[in-house]
Amino acid sequence: EAAVTQSPRNKVAVTGGKVTLSCNQTNNHNNMYWYRQDTGHGLRLIHYSYGAGSTEKGDIPDGYKASRPSQENFSLILELATPSQTSVYFCASGDAGTGLYEQYFGPGTRLTVL
Amino acid sequence: GDQVKQSPSALSLQEGTNSALRCNFSIATTTVQWFLQNPRGSLMNLFYLVPGTKENGRLKSTFNSKESYSTLHIRDAQLEDSGTYFCAADLTGNTRKLIFGLGTTLQVQP
Repeated sequence: EAAVTQSPRNKVAVTGGKVTLSCNQTNNHNNMYWYRQDTGHGLRLIHYSYGAGSTEKGDIPDGYKASRPSQENFSLILELATPSQTSVYFCASGDAGTGLYEQYFGPGTRLTVL
Repeated sequence: GDQVKQSPSALSLQEGTNSALRCNFSIATTTVQWFLQNPRGSLMNLFYLVPGTKENGRLKSTFNSKESYSTLHIRDAQLEDSGTYFCAADLTGNTRKLIFGLGTTLQVQP
């Protein structure tokens, strides 16, 4: 069974503060993704990674950084959090090198920026 | 949301009835994934489709790449089928990132 975990599950931050969201996967997948989910927009891709050491910009990268220090871990970093970044954030992994690119999602992190 | 359009946006069904959800794509799509987001917010994988049809229990999904659409059929709807159904397109020649539709919220009534 695919396993993607996220921490924290809930976070309240202050405007201007630094926030780090963490994601761990035990699927040995090459690719990892960060999405945010907002009402009226569905899920949108922020950053993704092809493997350890790589990060790529997704469709809405402004205000976010990403870090992939290992195959298993992928972090999303908000250096200066703003209220517009209040959202639910999902991490996903995919691509087991089999030619199938099905993505598996973590449980989500609810972030509130005050 | 414009590249992947889901319909209807909301749906109410009586327990035991059947329905179909649809996803239309305005972009070339290699594969399609369907998810169910349950009331707790978790995204559960339902189907991963190349062109063709898959079936799993009371759910059946088809992806027609030539006509750029996918459908999800729910047979004998149960209360636990309630939630929001998302389809997502994996773009042809792209980096395996998914483009999501806005979802169909399904309420199954007893």
